[in-house]
This record gives sequence, structure tokens and C-alpha cells, in this order.
Amino acid sequence: EAGVVQSPRYKIIEKKQPVAFWCNPISGHNTLYWYLQNLGQGPELLIRYENEEAVDDSQLPKDRFSAERLKGVDSTLKIQPAELGDSAVYLCASKAAGVDNEQFFGPGTRLTVL
Amino acid sequence: DQQVKQNSPSLSVQEGRISILNCDYTNSMFDYFLWYKKYPAEGPTFLISISSIKDKNEDGRFTVFLNKSAKHLSLHIVPSQPGDSAVYFCAARNTGGGNKLTFGTGTQLKVEL
Repeated sequence: EAGVVQSPRYKIIEKKQPVAFWCNPISGHNTLYWYLQNLGQGPELLIRYENEEAVDDSQLPKDRFSAERLKGVDSTLKIQPAELGDSAVYLCASKAAGVDNEQFFGPGTRLTVL
Repeated sequence: DQQVKQNSPSLSVQEGRISILNCDYTNSMFDYFLWYKKYPAEGPTFLISISSIKDKNEDGRFTVFLNKSAKHLSLHIVPSQPGDSAVYFCAARNTGGGNKLTFGTGTQLKVEL
């Protein structure tokens, strides 16, 4: 079974530029998460989708961050414009239906903003 | 406000010995706890979990203990193997709060030969 796929794996951009990250969850997983992981910290939830609906985006900085999951499968996370402080690893995770099922994480995208 | 705390950023253990990783939490609404393991350049992978109605859960070499009164949990790995060297994250969930996971800052475990 294929795991969660993320691309790109690494991205280097200059500040004020836009950037987008893509995630393909495990087939059949209706819940999708985007996390931010700063160096030396644990992952922090940015947004959670149930199918195509964003059910928890309270931690997403909406002035510059946006996300979509149009058909309830793949998802894209965008930052526009990027700031120096956005340098981090962006993790995508997915989960099958059922409260006790665990989240499966992708390898992440490491973003460096110069 | 760090609701899940892992106060030891690193731990070094000899191969074959026991590794004990600790985690404390402050939110009494947390009712499910998980441990994730992370290798460099990979995403975290689920290791073991425990519900708040239990005080112990065992899976092979891995055992998680939960002390609700102390708001403390620990992960025991015995015997430790070099392949266990990784960062271990403790995570907690309030099931009634939308299944959101709150992670600790992680503990880097190094198992030495």
C-alpha cells in the first residue's frame, strides 16, 4: 500500500515569493491534515479536512496561507507571500474513518525562505 | 502554552538496555495518547497508543504506561536496539475535540553499540 505522498520534498524561495505544497493521501482516507513543524518542535496542526470540507482551520494564518482539497482526495497548501519565519517542514497526514485509527504522515516538504 | 511536554531533548542508551522516554501533559481533557517515531527526512510513524481508561499497553518491545493522576506517560523500549535511534514524539488527543493531536517537542534517542 502506497503511503502519503508529498511534493516537492525540498523548496528554497526568496521572501515575498509564493509557494505551494501538494499532498496525495493514502487511498480511501477521508481525513487529511496539514501540519507545520519548526526545528526542534513537534508538529502543529494547520488545517484538517474531512473529505473536501475544512473542519478545523483555526490555526491556519489566513492572511497568507490557503489550502484546498477540491475533490476530497489530493490537497494543496499555499503560502503567498512567504516570510522568513515560514521556513519549516510542512507535513501532510491522512487517516481512515474511525476515531481510533492513527494518522499516517508523509515525508514532509522542507521549506527554506531566504 | 505547551500542553504536552517532553523535558528531555535527548537520551543515550546502550544496546540491550532499557530506554525510558517521558512525557507530561497539562490538559485533563486528553483521553488518548500516542507515541510516534521519526527518522531524519521522514515523516513521523505511529508506534503505540493508550487510552485513558488503561494504565498500560504493550506491543512487543514497546510498552506505554499512563499515570493519569500525575498526568504523566512513559514509553519503555526493552531491549533497545540501534535501529531504535530516532526522535520520539508524544502526542495527546481530546477525542471530543475533533481528534486534534497535540505533540510534544520530541526526544532524540540514541542507542549505542
